[in-house]
Amino acid sequence: DTGVSQDPRHKITKRGQNVTFRCDPISEHNRLYWYRQTLGQGPEFLTYFQNEAQLEKSRLLSDRFSAERPKGSFSTLEIQRTEQGDSAMYLCASSLARAGNTIYFGEGSWLTVV
Amino acid sequence: AQKITQTQPGMFVQEKEAVTLDCTYDTSDPSYGLFWYKQPSSGEMIFLIYQGSYDQQNATEGRYSLNFQKARKSANLVISASQLGDSAMYFCAMRDSLTGNQFYFGTGTSLTVIP
Repeated sequence: DTGVSQDPRHKITKRGQNVTFRCDPISEHNRLYWYRQTLGQGPEFLTYFQNEAQLEKSRLLSDRFSAERPKGSFSTLEIQRTEQGDSAMYLCASSLARAGNTIYFGEGSWLTVV
Repeated sequence: AQKITQTQPGMFVQEKEAVTLDCTYDTSDPSYGLFWYKQPSSGEMIFLIYQGSYDQQNATEGRYSLNFQKARKSANLVISASQLGDSAMYFCAMRDSLTGNQFYFGTGTSLTVIP
């Protein structure tokens, strides 16, 4: 049994470059979430998918951010033209679509924009 | 308004003692869920315990229990018999129908267990 896995775990990029993170959820989970966490803060919701449909997006998700879940399994989060303010940990989580069901997180992908 | 408030930035506890981490929440939805997560320095958010708003009894999971006081809108986490491995950040979170499928997290409490 594997949990939520994220890749890469760490990424250092120059400002203006594009980066992509991948998330593989727990296999039977049909909901997938992306969160962002900066130092000293709790995770902030970015977006969520049910199967392949992106159902909610936060205002935090600017036009430079795009997320996909093409076959309802793994998901990618791409950040275009990165800025220093994008430096954060990007957390992926998954759950079953049942009311009150908890979400299970991966280990996160640390992004540093220099 | 803040959905989740954790007023203790940092807490210290002696090994083998119990500790309470505070959490208050704000919602007008009668149906909601409250969650606690542990985040060690490695970064992974580890689910600890869940309390539903209609649950009659306080949730317990091993050494973790949730002191749920609905009228006060508080959901404090109690860790009994603290261990060195409990040193981590602890986050309280809530989901209600008003937030859709988002989980709102507090700012966390850093717990340090002293040998």
